[in-house]
Amino acid sequence: DAMVIQNPRYQVTQFGKPVTLSCSQTLNHNVMYWYQQKSSQAPKLLFHYYDKDFNNEADTPDNFQSRRPNTSFCFLDIRSPGLGDAAMYLCATSRGGAVTYNEQFFGPGTRLTVL
Amino acid sequence: GENVEQHPSTLSVQEGDSAVIKCTYSDSASNYFPWYKQELGKGPQLIIDIRSNVGEKKDQRIAVTLNKTAKHFSLHITETQPEDSAVYFCAALPNFGNEKLTFGTGTRLTIIP
Repeated sequence: DAMVIQNPRYQVTQFGKPVTLSCSQTLNHNVMYWYQQKSSQAPKLLFHYYDKDFNNEADTPDNFQSRRPNTSFCFLDIRSPGLGDAAMYLCATSRGGAVTYNEQFFGPGTRLTVL
Repeated sequence: GENVEQHPSTLSVQEGDSAVIKCTYSDSASNYFPWYKQELGKGPQLIIDIRSNVGEKKDQRIAVTLNKTAKHFSLHITETQPEDSAVYFCAALPNFGNEKLTFGTGTRLTIIP
């Protein structure tokens, strides 16, 4: 089945220790998104890629970086995680395109714990 | 930018009754309005969506209505079941070709058996 896959589902890291979260998709979608979701809140967009074009949100901290080596994979790097970065991280994809409504498909998320 | 407000933040409904969740948006150029259901520990799942050229859409027990003039849209769930318990988010797409959704703040729906 075509889908959005996130690994790992649960990640524990230490304060200040870099961590990388992974997302892959079999939908062949042009756009990939990373969201941060804290408890009882809506998903907050960190950045997205339209193909290889990177689009950062103005309020995304520099501590968060992303890489998209190919269409299928996208990575979220947190360079120095703080306690406030503990959250669910959601990856999503959409077809993209100026004449297409952009239904977004979400992965199951990675829950990050920072000790 | 677009702003989406969602009400209520929590909703408890007796099993078998109907549930209604309402959202308003600010940008009259928004033209796509999805609804997501998020169960505990899972990612949001699209359950229904509506385009700006349509006033109502139904899918079995779920329906969405859109009032473009008033800039609000609503989710209706009929004959609610325990598995409908989840957090529901509305969202709006601000511009045609813009890939970024603006989410509402979410509604925690609890179905009481």
